[in-house]
Amino acid sequence: QPVLTQSSSASASLGSSVKLTCTLSSGHSSYIIAWHQQQPGKAPRYLMKLEGSGSYNKGSGVPDRFSGSSSGADRYLTISNLQSEDEADYYCETWDSNTHVVFGGGTKLTVL
Amino acid sequence: EVQLVESGGGLVQPGGSLRLSCAASGFTFSSYWMSWVRQAPGKGLEWVANIKQDGSEKYYVDSVKGRFTISRDNAKNSLYLQMNSLRAEDTAVYYCARRSRDILTGYLHFDYWGQGTLVTVSS
Repeated sequence: QPVLTQSSSASASLGSSVKLTCTLSSGHSSYIIAWHQQQPGKAPRYLMKLEGSGSYNKGSGVPDRFSGSSSGADRYLTISNLQSEDEADYYCETWDSNTHVVFGGGTKLTVL
Repeated sequence: EVQLVESGGGLVQPGGSLRLSCAASGFTFSSYWMSWVRQAPGKGLEWVANIKQDGSEKYYVDSVKGRFTISRDNAKNSLYLQMNSLRAEDTAVYYCARRSRDILTGYLHFDYWGQGTLVTVSS
């Protein structure tokens, strides 16, 4: 079963860019993941699906400021021109042939 | 517009039971895998259970196997979670979520979430 590892926290200044990382465990480096955003006190929101090739597909209404990329077992979420509303928890998700679903521990992003 | 609306949460004593419901609208409910995901206070997301479109396949996280049962009624566009033998560690917000399949890769992922319903297990 894959394991997803995320840094517990990150911070960046208003208007700057930040790159969040989700790392797949050994033997699972080709897995596709999804990124979700959870603003304080709200339900999660789907952002995008991200493949090992770096190809990504965003959910409906997700701003152009959000993009994805990949390198080996690492899956990245880049947020450009940070806004105050981007302050949130970000989770990556993958599956084990749909019999089990796995989430990373989440990264708490602070916008300074 | 896709909508998922959970209900049925509340305060229950350890060992008690609760049934959560999720009313779906805005899409063809019977065409999608559906799931329950929970989030304990101040913690991250934890997948709880999946159910196939016709209910023929169901999968659970180990910690709820034998205690929780996921089910659906496609005629009523509704998803359910029957929770028995509840424990303090089951205290969480429970989210109903839709799983969408990528056409090219077959990969399934959550693409819509409900607003959640809070379950508190305490004496």
